[in-house]
Amino acid sequence: GAVVSQHPSRVICKSGTSVKIECRSLDFQATTMFWYRQFPKQSLMLMATSNEGSKATYEQGVEKDKFLINHASLTLSTLTVTSAHPEDSSFYICSAKPPGLAYNEQFFGPGTRLTVL
Amino acid sequence: KQEVTQIPAALSVPEGENLVLNCSFTDSAIYNLQWFRQDPGKGLTSLLLIQSSQREQTSGRLNASLDKSSGRSTLYIAASQPGDSATYLCAVKGGGTSYGKLTFGQGTILTVHP
Repeated sequence: GAVVSQHPSRVICKSGTSVKIECRSLDFQATTMFWYRQFPKQSLMLMATSNEGSKATYEQGVEKDKFLINHASLTLSTLTVTSAHPEDSSFYICSAKPPGLAYNEQFFGPGTRLTVL
Repeated sequence: KQEVTQIPAALSVPEGENLVLNCSFTDSAIYNLQWFRQDPGKGLTSLLLIQSSQREQTSGRLNASLDKSSGRSTLYIAASQPGDSATYLCAVKGGGTSYGKLTFGQGTILTVHP
């Protein structure tokens, strides 16, 4: 149980285009999903927290208009990188948390490698 | 703001050695601490999760301890194998102003050579 999937696993796009990444909880309902970014040889940095049916909360320094997050259902959250540029190339990982207390475990997806040319 | 530090940044050992990875955090108001493994280009595999009320957790050759008051955790790997080679990440789930958020350390890159 507690499986989280991401699609696509890899994407290459041209500078200026937009890319959508999906995060799905396959066998549980996720009231909260988290989006992380990992640059090469660095750790994961939280970008934003999304709660089903409400606006995402972005971490300081993350542009909300550039990284659009939609959490329209209890099993799906999407991250859209708008007008992508080479500096947005990174490994994007989502995690999902079942309903309940904040300290409940999050379950991580396998990540999406974004390369912007 | 919670900060998580992992020492050493990299470690190379011969197969069969017992080893210890260290993790420290600045804000002791945490809900839990979790150790992950990440293989190159891959996502995270959860290894052990220690709730703030616990002192340690064990799974197979892995043992993780938590000293919340001093802001420290260690991951002990017994009888290391080449398949253990990966990056090990420590993450704390915060309370207080970091409510519910996971803060990660920079990781320890482990290489176990035959």
